[in-house]
Amino acid sequence: DAKTTQPNSMESNEEEPVHLPCNHSTISGTDYIHWYRQLPSQGPEYVIHGLTSNVNNRMASLAIAEDRKSSTLILHRATLRDAAVYYCILSAGNQFYFGTGTSLTVIP
Amino acid sequence: KAGVTQTPRYLIKTRGQQVTLSCSPISGHRSVSWYQQTPGQGLQFLFEYFSETQRNKGNFPGRFSGRQFSNSRSEMNVSTLELGDSALYLCASSLGAFQTISYNEQFFGPGTRLTVL
Repeated sequence: DAKTTQPNSMESNEEEPVHLPCNHSTISGTDYIHWYRQLPSQGPEYVIHGLTSNVNNRMASLAIAEDRKSSTLILHRATLRDAAVYYCILSAGNQFYFGTGTSLTVIP
Repeated sequence: KAGVTQTPRYLIKTRGQQVTLSCSPISGHRSVSWYQQTPGQGLQFLFEYFSETQRNKGNFPGRFSGRQFSNSRSEMNVSTLELGDSALYLCASSLGAFQTISYNEQFFGPGTRLTVL
């Protein structure tokens, strides 16, 4: 069963904010939401994670809906180096469930 | 600090053979997890080891196994290879055990590309 649903692809102009959505309607109370990104020919790279409250770090912000059934990864100013596949992940039952990922294209 | 290293980077095997992949975690990290990445199934969790014990396992057949050594290095073994086992196998390490993964980011290696002919 797919635990997270993401759009296959998105585009953004360079230096503009990007909002990457993720639906996780089957989330339970103890499931954390994680975001990782993967550049071509590399392993995934941690971006951010959260449980209930919105989270900020140097890379991005994570906005979690009040009912926790969806979340949004926010890149405040997209750069060309942000072009990657972004995975929304639930950690549930001691496992990591990866979504299919959103391929982000950044247009100069 | 050196990152997660995986060897070999590329491997070609034939059906029926077995293969062993190696992962060296970041120094000080005690948890090692393994993932399979394919175009059709995406990224799937295989298993996690912490302090030489397998703590969690994904939905994979018993042909997939692993172990962790006292220095936290880990190996993954696939026996009786099938064509569908062709994939990128990723290893990740973190400071804490999987149950605390929410507090610890995972650091991924570059992966081992396995091709089964």
